[in-house]
Amino acid sequence: AQSVSQHNHHVILSEAASLELGCNYSYGGTVNLFWYVQYPGQHLQLLLKYFSGDPLVKGIKGFEAEFIKSKFSFNLRKPSVQWSDTAEYFCAVNRRNNDMRFGAGTRLTVKP
Amino acid sequence: EAGVAQSPRYKIIEKRQSVAFWCNPISGHATLYWYQQILGQGPKLLIQFQNNGVVDDSQLPKDRFSAERLKGVDSTLKIQPAKLEDSAVYLCASSPGSAGELFFGEGSRLTVL
Repeated sequence: AQSVSQHNHHVILSEAASLELGCNYSYGGTVNLFWYVQYPGQHLQLLLKYFSGDPLVKGIKGFEAEFIKSKFSFNLRKPSVQWSDTAEYFCAVNRRNNDMRFGAGTRLTVKP
Repeated sequence: EAGVAQSPRYKIIEKRQSVAFWCNPISGHATLYWYQQILGQGPKLLIQFQNNGVVDDSQLPKDRFSAERLKGVDSTLKIQPAKLEDSAVYLCASSPGSAGELFFGEGSRLTVL
C-alpha cells in the first residue's frame, strides 16, 4: 500500500545534539513534501516544504530537510537541538491535485 | 489573519450517541480537510472538499460519519452513532489550493465512553 513511513517513534536527545528524523514515502510520480511540527498543547504547523528545485530546503528555527528522489526520502535535520524543540514531528506527502498523507509521527524529547 | 476555527474543543459522549464538529476555514481557502488523529498515530484523512464539492472521501466510514460544506465556506463533520474507536482528535485544515501547505485548527478532542 502507498504510505509515508517515519522510522523513529520516539527520539530522546540532549541539548546541542544533532538531529536527523527519517521519512520515506512510497508514492510514484511528482509529489510535494512537508514536515509539520506539533508543540505540546498547540496545533500542527508547517516546519518546511519542498515543491521543486534545490533538494535541500531550509525551514523555521534552523531546521532543514533533504529530498533524495532515488531513495524516496525526505529526512529532517537540525545541527543542534534546543529544549524548545521538544515536540512531535510529522512528515507529509501531497501528490499533486490529491490528498495530503501523513506519517505516524516522531516524538522528540530534548533533555536540558 | 484569523486561523482555522474549530468547535467544540472537547466533547465527551457515550457510545451510540451522536456528535457534530464545526470548522470555519481561513477566508478564501478553497480546500478544506477533515482528519482523524488517534493517539500515537499521524492524522488520517477523512474527507477533502474543494469549494463545496467532495474531492476524496474514500476513508470516511460512511455508515456513521457524514460531512458537508455548504456554500463552500464552513463545514460540519457528524458521527452517528459513535463507537469507542472513534475517540480521537478531529482536525480541520484548509488550504488555498489542493497541493500546497495546510493550515490546521486546534482540533476537537472526542472521548467516547
